[in-house]
Amino acid sequence: EAGVAQSPRYKIIEKRQSVAFWCNPISGHATLYWYQQILGQGPKLLIQFQNNGVVDDSQLPKDRFSAERLKGVDSTLKIQPAKLEDSAVYLCASSLGRGRTDTQYFGPGTRLTVL
Amino acid sequence: KQEVTQIPAALSVPEGENLVLNCSFTDSAIYNLQWFRQDPGKGLTSLLLIQSSQREQTSGRLNASLDKSSGRSTLYIAASQPGDSATYLCAVDTGRRALTFGSGTRLQVQP
Repeated sequence: EAGVAQSPRYKIIEKRQSVAFWCNPISGHATLYWYQQILGQGPKLLIQFQNNGVVDDSQLPKDRFSAERLKGVDSTLKIQPAKLEDSAVYLCASSLGRGRTDTQYFGPGTRLTVL
Repeated sequence: KQEVTQIPAALSVPEGENLVLNCSFTDSAIYNLQWFRQDPGKGLTSLLLIQSSQREQTSGRLNASLDKSSGRSTLYIAASQPGDSATYLCAVDTGRRALTFGSGTRLQVQP
């Protein structure tokens, strides 16, 4: 079974530039998550999709971050414009989205450096 | 707001030692608690998931316990090996499926 795919793996940009990350979840997984992990901290949820609808985006900085999940499969996360504090690893995860033992499977992440 | 704390932040032990990692959470209304492993430059791998009605789960040399009323969980690693070196993250699901994570314990097992 193929895992969660993310690209690019690394990205370096100047502040105020734009950047986009892509995620392909495990086939058949209804729920998709984007987490932000700042160095030395645990991941923090940015947005959660159930199929192609948003379940939770309460911690997404909507003035600069946007995300979409077209056709309930792949997802993109965009930052525009980037700030220095956006330097982090962006993790995508997916799960079946049902039951009390719904395990999340994580991709390798995209490491973003904002200069 | 749920907060998850992990102690210690870092731990270094000689190979073969048994060790305990601690996790505490502020809101006992959880669906489940999960322990993950994170290797440098890689994503997270799920190790154990304990449902709110369970007291413990075991997988090989790993044993995780849950005391929901006191807001605590422990991950016990028996006979540690250098390959166990990684960051271990505790996370809780409060019913919305999205996880709230602790900051992790960075474990180094010395040969």
